[in-house]
Amino acid sequence: EIVMTQSPATLSVSPGERATLSCRASQSVTNNLAWYQQRPGQAPRLLIFAASTRAAGIPGRFSGSGSGTEFTLTISSLQSEDFAVYYCLQYNNWPRGEKTFGQGTKVEIK
Amino acid sequence: EVLLVESGGGLVKPGGSLRLSCATSGFTFSSFNFNWVRQAPGKGLEWVSSISIRSDNIYYADSVKGRFTISRDNAKNSLYLQMNSLRAEDTAVYFCARDGPLRSGYPDYWGQGTLVTVSS
Repeated sequence: EIVMTQSPATLSVSPGERATLSCRASQSVTNNLAWYQQRPGQAPRLLIFAASTRAAGIPGRFSGSGSGTEFTLTISSLQSEDFAVYYCLQYNNWPRGEKTFGQGTKVEIK
Repeated sequence: EVLLVESGGGLVKPGGSLRLSCATSGFTFSSFNFNWVRQAPGKGLEWVSSISIRSDNIYYADSVKGRFTISRDNAKNSLYLQMNSLRAEDTAVYFCARDGPLRSGYPDYWGQGTLVTVSS
């Protein structure tokens, strides 16, 4: 089973500042990594797939990077609507196995 | 517009069963893989199960293997999750999620979820 570990658990950032979130896989997932944003009471929203490709309609301030076991989600200038919980998901084994989420990083207002 | 609407959640006693449904519209259901993902109260997302287009690839999280069964009906544009031998730790909001195009493996559209509460 591939374990996904996100850090930090909570990130305190001021509006307009840059936020850098990390996701580490216990073994290589090549670039089969997605990032999601979840606001309170809402369903998750796809931000990034294939480690670095922005989903349709996602603002350019969101960017993803990395491959293998180390991945990063960067929000270049935080807006009020960006304060939320962010999850990474590996789907490297599909369609021959499981998918795994990280435990999430909460981005809160400093 | 892509829509996924879950139903079937509710209160059930430990050891009981429940069947969740996910009705979809706005796209060609039979061309996409699907997933169930759950979220316990105040906790993170947990992948539960995925099913391929022709139901020939099906996988479950270890936590539900042997108790839950995912299925789909391409004629009814619907996804299902049969949950048996329910436990308190299965209490969660259950989301139905469609995979991206070209059998990509990452969910791109999600329903709003249905709450399952397992309690005596």
